Amino acid sequence: AQKITQTQPGMFVQEKEAVTLDCTYDTSDPSYGLFWYKQPSSGEMIFLIYQGSYDQQNATEGRYSLNFQKARKSANLVISASQLGDSAMYFCAMREGQGSGAGSYQLTFGKGTKLSVIP
Amino acid sequence: NAGVTQTPKFRILKIGQSMTLQCTQDMNHNYMYWYRQDPGMGLKLIYYSVGAGITDKGEVPNGYNVSRSTTEDFPLRLELAAPSQTSVYFCASRPGLAKNIQYFGAGTRLSVL
Repeated sequence: AQKITQTQPGMFVQEKEAVTLDCTYDTSDPSYGLFWYKQPSSGEMIFLIYQGSYDQQNATEGRYSLNFQKARKSANLVISASQLGDSAMYFCAMREGQGSGAGSYQLTFGKGTKLSVIP
Repeated sequence: NAGVTQTPKFRILKIGQSMTLQCTQDMNHNYMYWYRQDPGMGLKLIYYSVGAGITDKGEVPNGYNVSRSTTEDFPLRLELAAPSQTSVYFCASRPGLAKNIQYFGAGTRLSVL
């Protein structure tokens, strides 16, 4: 079974509107972290937002917020007031385990969602 | 701030050739990673390192080798390049803290023909 599932290969949003990018995850580890990265056409991976499994509140970073529903195992990214520069691939990723000490704490990535912002 | 620096940005190899992808970071991070990204896919872990002198395999290590002689550098070696290694390669690093944000380099686009 896939650990990270992004069911939307592509999404369109009108400029200045809000958009939600879906991400569901699968883990039996009680301690994990969820990340969203943006990959513009230039190719680099840009960290956007992080949510820890024990965090009580949904993470927010400027126009980005993470709608974390633990029981549903979903971690959807919400982008408010979309801008043309938001057009990019967006990847959801998960780290399992405590995140410090021994171990790889690698990120497992979904296949991504391509967001296109329409003027 | 330089962050994570990868060289080269692009490279074309012939089948059977070898090369080293360079990665260096100036953030004094203990943890470093090599991922590959195939077209239309997310990233997959090749190798990782938890500190100088310590490396271990990730999900897709075959055909690659790494070394970590210093905290700053984590080169990835391709021996006997094959077309299946055509991909974009990303190096990342993170501090040993609970939040564990990984910071990525700009990537190396490799084609094996």
